[in-house]
Amino acid sequence: KQEVTQIPAALSVPEGENLVLNCSFTDSAIYNLQWFRQDPGKGLTSLLLIQSSQREQTSGRLNASLDKSSGRSTLYIAASQPGDSATYLCAAMNTGNQFYFGTGTSLTVIP
Amino acid sequence: DAEITQSPRHKITETGRQVTLACHQTWNHNNMFWYRQDLGHGLRLIHYSYGVHDTNKGEVSDGYSVSRSNTEDLPLTLESAASSQTSVYFCASSEFSWEPQHFGDGTRLSIL
Repeated sequence: KQEVTQIPAALSVPEGENLVLNCSFTDSAIYNLQWFRQDPGKGLTSLLLIQSSQREQTSGRLNASLDKSSGRSTLYIAASQPGDSATYLCAAMNTGNQFYFGTGTSLTVIP
Repeated sequence: DAEITQSPRHKITETGRQVTLACHQTWNHNNMFWYRQDLGHGLRLIHYSYGVHDTNKGEVSDGYSVSRSNTEDLPLTLESAASSQTSVYFCASSEFSWEPQHFGDGTRLSIL
């Protein structure tokens, strides 16, 4: 069974700092990996999806990388802003088309 | 704009009662999913459907059922609610497995 881990569970940074969120998974036979943002009391918003054949995806200030061989993905946020404060979740989809989620990293960007 | 809506947003019920949570999407997506989110566990897949009349069990399907009679709706039923099913439930949809899933805002269910 796929196990997805996100460390740290919480992170606090000053505004303007670049930061990296980590996601690791135990089964490298993934179909794709997706990063989500969740605001309190809300559902998940998809940020980036990386197919298993890709190494990275970029959207604005966000860049996600995928290294299947080491079972790791990172989400890089450039020039962080208070509006980036949220919980960030990664999810790995196995070839059985089931998503396995990490427990998330709660990010606080301090003005 | 297309969207995915869940109802109710909050519900309190008693153990042993049957409960149905609604999920309606206007994306016309084939794939629909139900997850539960619990502290310390993240989101876990309950059931999913790849199209009308198709349903599949996920990681934590015991005590839950779904049916898909049209493209837009995938209701989730708790046959006999248990306190262990107190959770926040999310519905999601996607057109293809390789595309991002779109999530509803969730239903917070408390079973007393």
